[in-house]
Amino acid sequence: GAVVSQHPSWVICKSGTSVKIECRSLDFQATTMFWYRQFPKQSLMLMATSNEGSKATYEQGVEKDKFLINHASLTLSTLTVTSAHPEDSSFYICSARILGNTGELFFGEGSRLTVL
Amino acid sequence: RKEVEQDPGPFNVPEGATVAFNCTYSNSASQSFFWYRQDCRKEPKLLMSVYSSGNEDGRFTAQLNRASQYISLLIRDSKLSDSATYLCVVNSNTGGFKTIFGAGTRLFVKA
Repeated sequence: GAVVSQHPSWVICKSGTSVKIECRSLDFQATTMFWYRQFPKQSLMLMATSNEGSKATYEQGVEKDKFLINHASLTLSTLTVTSAHPEDSSFYICSARILGNTGELFFGEGSRLTVL
Repeated sequence: RKEVEQDPGPFNVPEGATVAFNCTYSNSASQSFFWYRQDCRKEPKLLMSVYSSGNEDGRFTAQLNRASQYISLLIRDSKLSDSATYLCVVNSNTGGFKTIFGAGTRLFVKA
């Protein structure tokens, strides 16, 4: 199956700093990628849809100035958590879908963010 | 009402048991359906697609009932390694492509 790689897997940062997470499709082109957040014992919550060459589409309640998304190429999307606070600590996961397929999503390995 | 609902469990079963998970969805225009497996602190991974005609893969059987808007997953002869959270996932294209995840059902298989 298709491969999506996410980096870093773990990150610990101080409150107030910014953290960038990368999501790469390794063997296919992804015009659209999705970013999720998952808190412990809860389901995946879609944060935003990242569109190559255009602005991301954010879900209701997600601050676009807080969570900056850039999708500059067909294989790379980045999520930057700006001025991180402890409540931003979570598991962030990206996914991508191959156009024309049955809708199966391919997930990155996830990035666990801990803000001290 | 949630768009995709699952029994959160947890289901605690002995090895060798048969366990069934249920899922309902609210959007009758939903187009494709999947079961994903998520291990603790890992990303979800596709377990199997779900069709009206049923889909069987070894010990796993998935079924879709469009009339009832109901999806099921049956695991036979449970193994310790089946312990995970099982996510019901529904895709729709109403107002744009959208993927909705159920909250997941936790399964613990014990020796």
